[in-house]
Amino acid sequence: KQEVTQIPAALSVPEGENLVLNCSFTDSAIYNLQWFRQDPGKGLTSLLLIQSSQREQTSGRLNASLDKSSGRSTLYIAASQPGDSATYLCAVVNSGYALNFGKGTSLLVTP
Amino acid sequence: EAGVAQSPRYKIIEKRQSVAFWCNPISGHATLYWYQQILGQGPKLLIQFQNNGVVDDSQLPKDRFSAERLKGVDSTLKIQPAKLEDSAVYLCASSRFGGGSYNEQFFGPGTRLTVL
Repeated sequence: KQEVTQIPAALSVPEGENLVLNCSFTDSAIYNLQWFRQDPGKGLTSLLLIQSSQREQTSGRLNASLDKSSGRSTLYIAASQPGDSATYLCAVVNSGYALNFGKGTSLLVTP
Repeated sequence: EAGVAQSPRYKIIEKRQSVAFWCNPISGHATLYWYQQILGQGPKLLIQFQNNGVVDDSQLPKDRFSAERLKGVDSTLKIQPAKLEDSAVYLCASSRFGGGSYNEQFFGPGTRLTVL
């Protein structure tokens, strides 16, 4: 059974800092990994999808890496802004096609 | 392109009552998912449809939950009777394909259910 763990559970940083969110998973036989953002009371917004054959994906100030063999992914956020404050969720897809989620990292960026 | 639509956005009911949620996926998306997100947890899959058929409902509490997807488009999730532990956000998602490494899922805004 796939287990997805996200560390840290919560993070507070001052505006402008670069930061890294970590995600680990126990079963490396994944099809892809997605990073999502969730604002309070809202649904999930897809940030990046990394296919199993890829090592990283970039979108603006976000960069996600994937190391399948070690069961790890990181989400790097450059020059953080208060608007980046949200919960970030990591999820992987195995053979069942449904997403297996971690519990998320709650990020607060202070002005 | 319109996103995944869900209604209602909020619902408050008493335990043992019934409730239904509606989802309209992104046009052309073959696969539709219902997830349950309890406060402080990541979403958990309840049921997955591909077109009209059920692909996975192994985590759906079938004694009280039911779901259908009419004509391979809209879907309804029902709870009858509701329990206190059903209080959660119910998220609908859709994807163009049924699987594969490029299969990106898109989520609706969710329905927040409170059972008193």
